[in-house]
Amino acid sequence: QSALTQPPSASGSPGQSVTISCTGTSSDIGGYNYVSWYQQHPGKAPKLIIYEVSKRPSGVPDRFSGSKSGNTASLTVSGLQAEDEADFYCSSYAGSNNFVFGTGTKVTVL
Amino acid sequence: EVQLVESGGDLVQPGRSLRLSCAASGFTFDDYLMHWVRQVPGKGLEWVSRISWSSDRIEYADSVRGRFTISRDNAKNTLYLQMNSLRVEDTALYYCARGSSRSFDYWGQGTLVTVSS
Repeated sequence: QSALTQPPSASGSPGQSVTISCTGTSSDIGGYNYVSWYQQHPGKAPKLIIYEVSKRPSGVPDRFSGSKSGNTASLTVSGLQAEDEADFYCSSYAGSNNFVFGTGTKVTVL
Repeated sequence: EVQLVESGGDLVQPGRSLRLSCAASGFTFDDYLMHWVRQVPGKGLEWVSRISWSSDRIEYADSVRGRFTISRDNAKNTLYLQMNSLRVEDTALYYCARGSSRSFDYWGQGTLVTVSS
């Protein structure tokens, strides 16, 4: 199973929006509505911020939103804040109880 | 509060074995399937394995199938990963994570496995 493709980096100024793409295939993203997104600050464990494409766990700000079209999922962070600077990873269910992660995107708040 | 605490990471030589543990608390352990996910320092995440609440459904990534064995002891609220025939490329920080809605909703802080001669 190949990793999902994400841009290596993305950036935006405070208050702006940034969108990260996550491209897979019909065997993972395109085949299931089980895309999730994780935020990872340096030296910390990943934190779930989006599941089932667009749902937010309790406590996650609504500045984070997710969507999917075909084989590509997207995460949008609106109203960028300094604390949003982190690595972001997508993940998708890939059938037969297997999972695949994205290559990761480093978000920089300018 | 959900807590997952991994242990057992170490420096080992190629070909040797190691067993990782993940102690869970703050939730009903046997209500959830559990995963192992690894991350080479400075690199991306890689799903390793998952186990159902009753241990009757187990899956592995191709990269570890036949060498790693996932198991759990619901009486001890503990998840395990037995790693045999370790390779240099298995060097990584190993996280245990709780499974929910085909996502990983809680993560431990990880335990570092270094495979080197």
